[in-house]
Amino acid sequence: ILNVEQSPQSLHVQEGDSTNFTCSFPSSNFYALHWYRWETAKSPEALFVMTLNGDEKKKGRISATLNTKEGYSYLYIKGSQPEDSATYLCAFRSTNAGKSTFGDGTTLTVKP
Amino acid sequence: AAGVIQSPRHLIKEKRETATLKCYPIPRHDTVYWYQQGPGQDPQFLISFYEKMQSDKGSIPDRFSAQQFSDYHSELNMSSLELGDSALYFCASSAKGPNTGELFFGEGSRLTVL
Repeated sequence: ILNVEQSPQSLHVQEGDSTNFTCSFPSSNFYALHWYRWETAKSPEALFVMTLNGDEKKKGRISATLNTKEGYSYLYIKGSQPEDSATYLCAFRSTNAGKSTFGDGTTLTVKP
Repeated sequence: AAGVIQSPRHLIKEKRETATLKCYPIPRHDTVYWYQQGPGQDPQFLISFYEKMQSDKGSIPDRFSAQQFSDYHSELNMSSLELGDSALYFCASSAKGPNTGELFFGEGSRLTVL
């Protein structure tokens, strides 16, 4: 059983705050790490796919880093806006598994 | 390009009835995931299938069952429906073989239990 953990479980910030959360995964047999944003009543949106240790990806105010040696990825949101409110899921893919393992998500609420 | 197809898109049932939701993955995708998102709630992972076998099980109630068929489509069967089962049910699929495993999600099926 692959253990993928996300922290914190939920986060409440004020508009304009910057925030970050963590996805921890097994450090062996790494293949890929995905981040998804899931807004209420909408299909999830793929944010990033990260495959190399040290990868840094950016999409607007959202960025992510990857450390495969220690088994974690950070997602950063700069200057949070109410429209950033969503559940952020990470999914880990190992080299010897045909499927991805998801974390339970971090739910972000940005208050105006 | 073909996407993940979910049917029906909307379904209205009464309490204690049975409902079946279907998910047709993208061609050549062998893995299917089911999620439930209640009104104003966080998405909850229900169950997943890999190569027609159940691979992971999440918060799926005992009243629910699911399976993946030989053509890789999946069905989620829900019995003795309760008001709290009203939710959006999302299905996702990912591709065979060694790849990054990106998930592709359907548009969801909205179940309303009256």
